Amino acid sequence: QKEVEQDPGPLSVPEGAIVSLNCTYSNSAFQYFMWYRQYSRKGPELLMYTYSSGNKEDGRFTAQVDKSSKYISLFIRDSQPSDSATYLCAMTSNTGTASKLTFGTGTRLQVTL
Amino acid sequence: DVKVTQSSRYLVKRTGEKVFLECVQDMDHENMFWYRQDPGLGLRLIYFSYDVKMKEKGDIPEGYSVSREKKERFSLILESASTNQTSMYLCASSRGAGTGVSEKLFFGSGTQLSVL
Repeated sequence: QKEVEQDPGPLSVPEGAIVSLNCTYSNSAFQYFMWYRQYSRKGPELLMYTYSSGNKEDGRFTAQVDKSSKYISLFIRDSQPSDSATYLCAMTSNTGTASKLTFGTGTRLQVTL
Repeated sequence: DVKVTQSSRYLVKRTGEKVFLECVQDMDHENMFWYRQDPGLGLRLIYFSYDVKMKEKGDIPEGYSVSREKKERFSLILESASTNQTSMYLCASSRGAGTGVSEKLFFGSGTQLSVL
């Protein structure tokens, strides 16, 4: 069983929809959670960064962490075609341990007109 | 605009060739990383470096080596390329431990390497 599980998709939604992307994990020591967005033939870019449980909002994006369920989510409101990309979750147990980052395999999202 | 620059977007090499992948960052970051990305397997860490002339093995170092002679530059070397090293290679950098943000990685655009 992988330490971080992520549905590969593809997930296809119409423009304007609310999108929910999710990751589950097995290591209860994980405390730092990130979401990266990767456009086709590009490197990942950091989208959201959260520590421990709770919600964090940035514009149309909301990151949610439920440590009791070992479940994290990224919500995208009013989705746009420019949101079409692969979304990777990543997590680690301590700051200062970037080499111990564990990535999900990514969910491909397509937002259609 | 901060940047991690990888020297090549696409490379085609033959089996047995020595391959150099170059990465330069302009953010004065202490940490640099090399990952490979394969469908269904996600990102896997090959090597990383926390300082100049320092290197540590990641999860899949076999068949690779690295060099970090200057803070801004981190090179990945395939000593004798093989077909199973065909992949997307991603370089990343981050600030050092103690800054509280060392796990925030900045990635380059990647090098798609094909070994024939």
